[in-house]
Amino acid sequence: QQQVKQSPQSLIVQKGGISIINCAYENTAFDYFPWYQQFPGKGPALLIAIRPDVSEKKEGRFTISFNKSAKQFSLHIMDSQPGDSATYFCAARTGTASKLTFGTGTRLQVTL
Amino acid sequence: NAGVTQTPKFRILKIGQSMTLQCTQDMNHNYMYWYRQDPGMGLKLIYYSVGAGITDKGEVPNGYNVSRSTTEDFPLRLELAAPSQTSVYFCASSSAGFGDGYTFGSGTRLTVV
Repeated sequence: QQQVKQSPQSLIVQKGGISIINCAYENTAFDYFPWYQQFPGKGPALLIAIRPDVSEKKEGRFTISFNKSAKQFSLHIMDSQPGDSATYFCAARTGTASKLTFGTGTRLQVTL
Repeated sequence: NAGVTQTPKFRILKIGQSMTLQCTQDMNHNYMYWYRQDPGMGLKLIYYSVGAGITDKGEVPNGYNVSRSTTEDFPLRLELAAPSQTSVYFCASSSAGFGDGYTFGSGTRLTVV
């Protein structure tokens, strides 16, 4: 069964700190790795994504690091803000129908 | 642009009842998906469609059915509701382009009692 394993389940970070969420996958057929951000009562929204031929992608305070040989990727949130408090999901795509397999989510709380 | 619209937002069903969750997108996306989200479990794919008239099962299809008669609409049918179907249901759509993310609806919270 295709799986994407995500950790930690929850994370508390002080304002201005770095939040790090990790994911690992097994299926080498995955070809696209997005991260989604979800606020309570809302649907997930695409945050940032990376292809496996790139080792790092940065968009503002958000960075994805990708290690193809280890089959791991991570999300780094620099200068974390209270407004970043949300649940974050990693995902991996496979197949002609662009199906996504999601991790189990990380609930991030950024404290003042 | 409305994006992906799901109705209803909330629903309580009794065991054995049936209902249809509606999903409409106005972005002319070919691909549409239904996921369910349970606490600590992430999102699990129920059914998906790559175009009008074409649907296929995802990871957890039992107890559900779908149809795709138009590009815009992708309803999810629950037959004989069971407590195990208590969940939050999300519809999503995507264009066929490489690297395009999903656009999700705001979800339907379903409780089966």
